[in-house]
Amino acid sequence: AQSVAQPEDQVNVAEGNPLTVKCTYSVSGNPYLFWYVQYPNRGLQFLLKYITGDNLVKGSYGFEAEFNKSQTTYHLKKPSALVSDSALYFCAVRDMGGNNRLAFGKGNQVVVIP
Amino acid sequence: NAGVTQTPKFRILKIGQSMTLQCTQDMNHNYMYWYRQDPGMGLKLIYYSVGAGITDKGEVPNGYNVSRSTTEDFPLRLELAAPSQTSVYFCASSPEGNQPQHFGDGTRLSIL
Repeated sequence: AQSVAQPEDQVNVAEGNPLTVKCTYSVSGNPYLFWYVQYPNRGLQFLLKYITGDNLVKGSYGFEAEFNKSQTTYHLKKPSALVSDSALYFCAVRDMGGNNRLAFGKGNQVVVIP
Repeated sequence: NAGVTQTPKFRILKIGQSMTLQCTQDMNHNYMYWYRQDPGMGLKLIYYSVGAGITDKGEVPNGYNVSRSTTEDFPLRLELAAPSQTSVYFCASSPEGNQPQHFGDGTRLSIL
């Protein structure tokens, strides 16, 4: 079965500094990978996905994610964090050849300090 | 576009009561999902559906039931509420299984 590990509970970063949120996945086949963001009292919002192609995926609001097959990682990055980036971030994986289930990590709280 | 709409937003139940959490989407998506979110635990899949008339169990289906009579609606039923079902419930939909999911804003359920 697929699974995701997000090793850090909280990531603190100063405004303007680079932001990295780590994700390690496990699947038996090739992965579909996703990042979602959740603001207080709201549902999850899609940020980025990796299906095939370039290992560096660029998304909205300056976010990007880097896929590394050999290390089974899909880290989320942003070169310069904003206070408004403070939120809960979830990594999720689905096995490309498996069932229709998406496995979510436990989430990382990102706090951007002004 | 309303997207995915969940009702009610909040509810308090007594142990043993039953209720239905409503979910509707207006994007004509084939796939629909129900998750529960507990603090520090991420999201756990309860049930999902790949189309009208088809449902399947997820990771934590015990104590819940679903139906999918139309493309738009995917209600979640709790028959005998238990304190362990206190959680935030999210409904989501996607065009296909490998596409990003669109989430509702959740139903916060407390069982006392």
